[in-house]
Amino acid sequence: NAGVTQTPKFQVLKTGQSMTLQCAQDMNHEYMSWYRQDPGMGLRLIHYSVGAGITDQGEVPNGYNVSRSTTEDFPLRLLSAAPSQTSVYFCASIPQRDTGELFFGEGSRLTVL
Amino acid sequence: GQSLEQPSEVTAVEGAIVQINCTYQTSGFYGLSWYQQHDGGAPTFLSYNGLDGLEETGRFSSFLSRSDSYGYLLLQELQMKDSASYFCSPYSGGYQKVTFGTGTKLQVIP
Repeated sequence: NAGVTQTPKFQVLKTGQSMTLQCAQDMNHEYMSWYRQDPGMGLRLIHYSVGAGITDQGEVPNGYNVSRSTTEDFPLRLLSAAPSQTSVYFCASIPQRDTGELFFGEGSRLTVL
Repeated sequence: GQSLEQPSEVTAVEGAIVQINCTYQTSGFYGLSWYQQHDGGAPTFLSYNGLDGLEETGRFSSFLSRSDSYGYLLLQELQMKDSASYFCSPYSGGYQKVTFGTGTKLQVIP
């Protein structure tokens, strides 16, 4: 049981490049989500999914795509990176039991030059 | 819509008690969760109030009043390692989006 695993942990991109941040969980959690965190801005929700095949937008979805083909994986795609997307990205999941807890990955630090 | 309010910064002395307040406005409310985040780290779950009243976990306690849309996190016997950011988050059972406010940065001083 590895929890929530994010890769890569660090990435540097040039403006206009595309990339995918990977998120996987082995706990059979239905709910998964992506957040970005910028200094002084707290955690802002990008996209979330309440189960395989279901995704929805959060507070700041522009410039990001997601898909949820399996329960385990919830990748976040940047189609054309911009310097404004420089941030720390966290993936999180919720167990089916009603404990009010999100399990977070360790984060992915992305820099766009 | 949804809104969350917490103080942005709090400073307290080692060994003292500090209370971090949270007011929220949301739909589909099940309960209120609290998270701790140290600089450079990921948020970690501290507590969850599914019912009104006080929940105690060691030095940390959390309180919820649904009628007031208000909760707080109480940290007792403060230690230097408690210096971190603290976030409250309304929980909707895992069927709706989970959002956070900007958090409260707690600085514990000697």
